[in-house]
Amino acid sequence: DTAVSQTPKYLVTQMGNDKSIKCEQNLGHDTMYWYKQDSKKFLKIMFSYNNKELIINETVPNRFSPKSPDKAHLNLHINSLELGDSAVYFCASSQSHSNEKLFFGSGTQLSVL
Amino acid sequence: DAKTTQPPSMDCAEGRAANLPCNHSTISGNEYVYWYRQIHSQGPQYIIHGLKNNETNEMASLIITEDRKSSTLILPHATLRDTAVYYCIGIGAGNMLTFGGGTRLMVKP
Repeated sequence: DTAVSQTPKYLVTQMGNDKSIKCEQNLGHDTMYWYKQDSKKFLKIMFSYNNKELIINETVPNRFSPKSPDKAHLNLHINSLELGDSAVYFCASSQSHSNEKLFFGSGTQLSVL
Repeated sequence: DAKTTQPPSMDCAEGRAANLPCNHSTISGNEYVYWYRQIHSQGPQYIIHGLKNNETNEMASLIITEDRKSSTLILPHATLRDTAVYYCIGIGAGNMLTFGGGTRLMVKP
C-alpha cells in the first residue's frame, strides 16, 4: 500500500483551464502539505494543513485553493492555469505539525500549454 | 531556520562510502539537522536527523561536529540506487521544511 498517493501522475492542460490534484495518506498523520518543484528543481512549500485546518499558506496566488475534506486527504485545485504553473507538485504528510519527518507522494507533473 | 551550504555535486564509487558534507554555521541550539534525498522522478525521502549527537539508522550515519556548524552524512556502502540529490536542512521544531539546492550524488560502477 502506498503511504502517500497522489493523482494524476501527469497532467497536461491548456492555459486558462481549471484542474485538481488529489492526495491521500493512509498513515494516520495529522498534517499534510503541498510542495512545488520548479524547473530549477527547488522545492518550495505551498500549504500546510493540520487536522483539516490551514496552518501555513506561503505566498501562493489565490488561483491555488487547497481543500481538506478530512485529515487523510488534501486536494489542490488550480483555477485559470498559467504557463508558469508548470511544475511537479508533491503532496506530503507528517505525524504532527511539529514533526519534520515527512512522507512524500511520487509527484504530479503539471504541464500547461 | 539555519542556512545550509552543500557542494552541488559529488561522485562516489560503488561499494565505497559516500561522505556528503553540509555547512550550517548559523544553526541555533534548538534546530535539528535533517537529511532527505530525492531519487530521479520520485518524491523526497527522509534519511536521518540529529541535534547534537551522532546518529545511525539502517540507511545512513550522521556525524555532527561538536560546535554543530557542520555535519556529514555517510552512506557506508554506496550502491547505484543511492544516486540522488541529497538535501541537508537545518530547522527548528514546528517550522516548515525548506529545501535548498542539495548535493547531486552520482554513484559510479
